[in-house]
Amino acid sequence: AQRVTQPEKLLSVFKGAPVELKCNYSYSGSPELFWYVQYSRQRLQLLLRHISRESIKGFTADLNKGETSFHLKKPFAQEEDSAMYYCALSATGFQKLVFGTGTRLLVSP
Amino acid sequence: DTGVSQDPRHKITKRGQNVTFRCDPISEHNRLYWYRQTLGQGPEFLTYFQNEAQLEKSRLLSDRFSAERPKGSFSTLEIQRTEQGDSAMYLCASSLAAGGSSPLHFGNGTRLTVT
Repeated sequence: AQRVTQPEKLLSVFKGAPVELKCNYSYSGSPELFWYVQYSRQRLQLLLRHISRESIKGFTADLNKGETSFHLKKPFAQEEDSAMYYCALSATGFQKLVFGTGTRLLVSP
Repeated sequence: DTGVSQDPRHKITKRGQNVTFRCDPISEHNRLYWYRQTLGQGPEFLTYFQNEAQLEKSRLLSDRFSAERPKGSFSTLEIQRTEQGDSAMYLCASSLAAGGSSPLHFGNGTRLTVT
């Protein structure tokens, strides 16, 4: 069974501080990992995916198969980063996403 | 707005009533998904279609739930004999199947409250 764990419900930081949102997964095959973000009053949207290996809005995430983790990082948080962040997994050959419970990031001025 | 559209945005119903939600995906997307989200949880997969074929259903989808996508375009999700436990946000998403997984585009959801 696939499972995604986001241990922190809330992460509160000051503007300019580094941010790391944790995500661990459980899956025996080769998964695809995603981060989705939901800003206030907006729909859930894709932030980044591990196969793209790109930085979006200053965020990066590296898939660590040894630790089964896909933590989301940003060196300097901005107030506009405040949102709900969901880590999600797609098993090889399948299309459905399995989501974690989400972490609310609050960036204070 | 050419994104995924869901209707209605909010639905309040009494226990035992039937409700139907509609989802219009992005026009060129052939895959359509339904998810349910309750407070404090991430979205939970319910079912998905490729074109008009329903390819997978979650065990969460009891017999009271039925989803259709008759012409491979819009989809409906019906809940019969609603229960208070059905209160949730129902999310629709679509994607373009192009070999391997492709990103899901979500709608704003329909919030169901069963009283």
